[in-house]
Amino acid sequence: KQEVTQIPAALSVPEGENLVLNCSFTDSAIYNLQWFRQDPGKGLTSLLLIQSSQREQTSGRLNASLDKSSGRSTLYIAASQPGDSATYLCAAQDNYGQNFVFGPGTRLSVLP
Amino acid sequence: GAVVSQHPSWVICKSGTSVKIECRSLDFQATTMFWYRQFPKQSLMLMATSNEGSKATYEQGVEKDKFLINHASLTLSTLTVTSAHPEDSSFYICSAPDGLIIGYGYTFGSGTRLTVV
Repeated sequence: KQEVTQIPAALSVPEGENLVLNCSFTDSAIYNLQWFRQDPGKGLTSLLLIQSSQREQTSGRLNASLDKSSGRSTLYIAASQPGDSATYLCAAQDNYGQNFVFGPGTRLSVLP
Repeated sequence: GAVVSQHPSWVICKSGTSVKIECRSLDFQATTMFWYRQFPKQSLMLMATSNEGSKATYEQGVEKDKFLINHASLTLSTLTVTSAHPEDSSFYICSAPDGLIIGYGYTFGSGTRLTVV
């Protein structure tokens, strides 16, 4: 059974800092790995999707990497801004391309 | 882009009553809908998978008689929490494959915060 963990659970940084969020998964047979953003009491916004054959994806100030063999993914946020404050979830999609297994999230606070 | 409209956004109900949550795909057909719930400070957990025109598939530990799922059309899936109790208070969210990226595109609803008092 796939299990996804995220470190750290919470992170508080001053505006402008670069930061890294970590995600680990136990079963390397994933279809893809996706990073989401969740604002309090709201739904999910997809940030980046890395297909199983890919090593990384970039979108603006965000860069996500995937190492299937070691069961790890990282989300790099450059030049953080207060608007980046949210909970960041990673999710491993199973090999049938259906079910997502979510990590518990990293709660990020970027202080102005 | 694809949109899944979820209602209500939040609901407070008395213990013992039933609550219905709707997820509607606005610009695409959703033959499958996934229902998740999230307890405070915990991960989103898959509850069940609904399929249009057939019975839903429930994850282990989820009571199918308590969480009734109906997927009567290609654009609407509903989750009814029957005889709700305070321990059912949670954040419920649905997701559907939107077909924008074959095999990869999934759209999530905005979620429903249920509080049972």
